[in-house]
Amino acid sequence: GDSVTQMEGPVTLSEEAFLTINCTYTATGYPSLFWYVQYPGEGLQLLLKATKADDKGSNKGFEATYRKETTSFHLEKGSVQVSDSAVYFCALGGRGGATNKLIFGTGTLLAVQP
Amino acid sequence: DAGVIQSPRHEVTEMGQEVTLRCKPISGHDYLFWYRQTMMRGLELLIYFNNNVPIDDSGMPEDRFSAKMPNASFSTLKIQPSEPRDSAVYFCASSVDRGYEQYFGPGTRLTVT
Repeated sequence: GDSVTQMEGPVTLSEEAFLTINCTYTATGYPSLFWYVQYPGEGLQLLLKATKADDKGSNKGFEATYRKETTSFHLEKGSVQVSDSAVYFCALGGRGGATNKLIFGTGTLLAVQP
Repeated sequence: DAGVIQSPRHEVTEMGQEVTLRCKPISGHDYLFWYRQTMMRGLELLIYFNNNVPIDDSGMPEDRFSAKMPNASFSTLKIQPSEPRDSAVYFCASSVDRGYEQYFGPGTRLTVT
């Protein structure tokens, strides 16, 4: 069945460092891909999405490119801030996929130190 | 729009008591999802509805859990009787269509003592 695999955390970075959080997926059909962010004590918020191969989603300085050939959707940011400290979830779903549900990864905790 | 609304935000109850969590989805969203989040298990989908009809409840842990959606603007998740292992954060989410991005509420933090 469909699945999402994220890199294990926690990821600890200094402020202004470059961030990459890896995400790979297994899916039937042509799903959409999402990144969600969860700040401490809050619900999940949609960070960005891509609906087809080679699409790039971007928001708040974060980017991720839908790579069908490598079945990946890695999250990147050029310069992280302390305020980016949160848990990041990769997810797949979408009308081109085989499911009505979003399939979430296990989440990656990012801690940014000043 | 106000987003997905959940109540209460925090609930502390004793083992054996009935607990009811409430959710109001975003207006116009046809799908509603209930999740549970714990450190041990992460984010788990419990049940979801389409147009007020339960579609998949395979994630509901046991018969003590039940969920209803009497109309398009309201859903409840009930635990009766509650147990300490039910302690978790429960999220409600809604989406406009199948597989589209989901919008999450702020969650209800349940503590069962």
